[in-house]
Amino acid sequence: GAVVSQHPSRVICKSGTSVKIECRSLDFQATTMFWYRQFPKQSLMLMATSNEGSKATYEQGVEKDKFLINHASLTLSTLTVTSAHPEDSSFYICSASVPGTGELFFGEGSRLTVL
Amino acid sequence: DAKTTQPPSMDCAEGRAANLPCNHSTISGNEYVYWYRQIHSQGPQYIIHGLKNNETNEMASLIITEDRKSSTLILPHATLRDTAVYYCIVRPAFNNDMRFGAGTRLTVKP
Repeated sequence: GAVVSQHPSRVICKSGTSVKIECRSLDFQATTMFWYRQFPKQSLMLMATSNEGSKATYEQGVEKDKFLINHASLTLSTLTVTSAHPEDSSFYICSASVPGTGELFFGEGSRLTVL
Repeated sequence: DAKTTQPPSMDCAEGRAANLPCNHSTISGNEYVYWYRQIHSQGPQYIIHGLKNNETNEMASLIITEDRKSSTLILPHATLRDTAVYYCIVRPAFNNDMRFGAGTRLTVKP
């Protein structure tokens, strides 16, 4: 199946710093990627839709200035958590749709811990 | 705003079939039923999807009722590695938007 890779898989940072998470589609081009957040023992919550070459679309309640999304190429989307605080600690997961199939493949996830 | 209802948890004996139900009574004619699973601390894994016909692949079978208001995912011979949270999702074909409900936590026991 298609492969979506995230990096880093784990990151620990100090409060107030910014953290960038990368999402790559390794064997296909993805015009659209998605970012999710998952808190412990909860389901995945869609944060935003990342469109190549245009601005991301954010879900209600998600601060676009705090969670910066860049989709500069057909194989890479990045999520930057700016001025991170402990409440931003979570499991962040990206996904990408294989064009023409409707199938959505997910990355391995990135666990962010803000101290 | 998930459009599906699943039991929060289920147990299954190793080697037996695991039957995971999902209700989607408000499904529209152009919406597919997708199943994903998430093993602890990993990203969701695609299992299977279907529109109205039953589907089978190397991982599982998907049985969709004739009125399409419910479906069942069948893992024919569950193993301990099948312990995971299973998500049933409905979405229109080629609509990339995938929204997750609470899912069913399946525990396969020896």
